[in-house]
Amino acid sequence: SQQGEEDPQALSIQEGENATMNCSYKTSINNLQWYRQNSGRGLVHLILIRSNEREKHSGRLRVTLDTSKKSSSLLITASRAADTASYFCATDARSFGNEKLTFGTGTRLTIIP
Amino acid sequence: ETGVTQTPRHLVMGMTNKKSLKCEQHLGHNAMYWYKQSAKKPLELMFVYSLEERVENNSVPSRFSPECPNSSHLFLHLHTLQPEDSALYLCASSQDASAHTDTQYFGPGTRLTVL
Repeated sequence: SQQGEEDPQALSIQEGENATMNCSYKTSINNLQWYRQNSGRGLVHLILIRSNEREKHSGRLRVTLDTSKKSSSLLITASRAADTASYFCATDARSFGNEKLTFGTGTRLTIIP
Repeated sequence: ETGVTQTPRHLVMGMTNKKSLKCEQHLGHNAMYWYKQSAKKPLELMFVYSLEERVENNSVPSRFSPECPNSSHLFLHLHTLQPEDSALYLCASSQDASAHTDTQYFGPGTRLTVL
């Protein structure tokens, strides 16, 4: 089973609207990160939130973390066509004594001009 | 640009071919990673190198052979691949050799098609 799962799998909104994506995970974490991936390209780091933080902002991005519910949300305000991409959450997980980042399958966001 | 480059960007190979993927990071980082991204599946970590030493091999078949000659370069040598190995192969790097869960910087990927 996956450590991080994004919801919804796909989201289409009009330009200017806000987009909200959610991530749920199963085990305790030290931090959670959000990444963006444009079609056929590499991932770009957006924001990192630590387990002792509840909310973090970066420009038009707002991330929340609820460790009691093992969930996080990414809000993009005033969306633009350039925000069209897939968004992934990544959690730190311990496997066989080694820590590694574990990614979900992503939310595909489409901004309609 | 993230400071991580990958070549080639696209590769088509037969099952009997031998090819190599190259990754270079210009960030002065101490850890480098290979990931495989297949359609509708989570990103799969393949290998982790820390200060040029392989610290993790995620049960990857031996037809994939990584090489890290120095902290800036990472290769993935491919030999007798299968069609199911077709995917986007992503290289990433991070600052700290011992913390593999900090922010990672990804290259643009190599789209591999195995015929």
